[in-house]
Amino acid sequence: EVKLQQSGDELVRPGASVKMSCKASGYTFTDYAMHWVKQSPGQGLEWIGTIIPLIDTTSYNQKFKGKATLTADKSSNTAYMELSRLTSEDSAVYYCARDDQRYFDYWGQGVMVTVSS
Amino acid sequence: DIQMTQSPASLSASLEEIVTITCQASQDIGNWLAWYQQKPGKSPQLLIYGATSLADGVPSRFSGSRSGTQYSLKISRLQVEDIGIYYCLQAYSAPLTFGSGTKLEIK
Repeated sequence: EVKLQQSGDELVRPGASVKMSCKASGYTFTDYAMHWVKQSPGQGLEWIGTIIPLIDTTSYNQKFKGKATLTADKSSNTAYMELSRLTSEDSAVYYCARDDQRYFDYWGQGVMVTVSS
Repeated sequence: DIQMTQSPASLSASLEEIVTITCQASQDIGNWLAWYQQKPGKSPQLLIYGATSLADGVPSRFSGSRSGTQYSLKISRLQVEDIGIYYCLQAYSAPLTFGSGTKLEIK
């Protein structure tokens, strides 16, 4: 069974950074790319970027360049996303989602990030 | 960026009714279109990919179609478990973009 287990919800101060994880199981981690998606409160979905764990290649939505950094650890089958210089605009739920021929076929449960002093 | 204009924004329908949601792409995306369902408090789930292909485990009352740059999701006989928000996604070119969502409720 394919499963993407994300790390817990975060409460962070403005200006700080946060790093979240997405641990994959039930498939060969390096056979699939991983996407990250933002869902702001009561809002729709935004694609942040994609990482190909096999070759450590990333592709970002221009809107999130400089904000998000995607990495992957093949030894632990885990993808990571770090968000930097957080503001209230970054308060949202963040999902990882597995890529299958460009579509997002399996999703993690989401990480709620709250930016507040 | 490719814009996906989704309509309606909300929809209230009766059980067993036929429901149709549409997405209009701002340019040609071929069949690179998916539909997702998001139930309250849950992650989105893939329903349709390649504009018309049903994802594994999805009931056959869901179907997708394409006419030029307009894409449609049809629910043939609405069930209680179908309530939620539906999104389209264009996977033709980066940045990948979603429609704004359609909130589906039972009348």
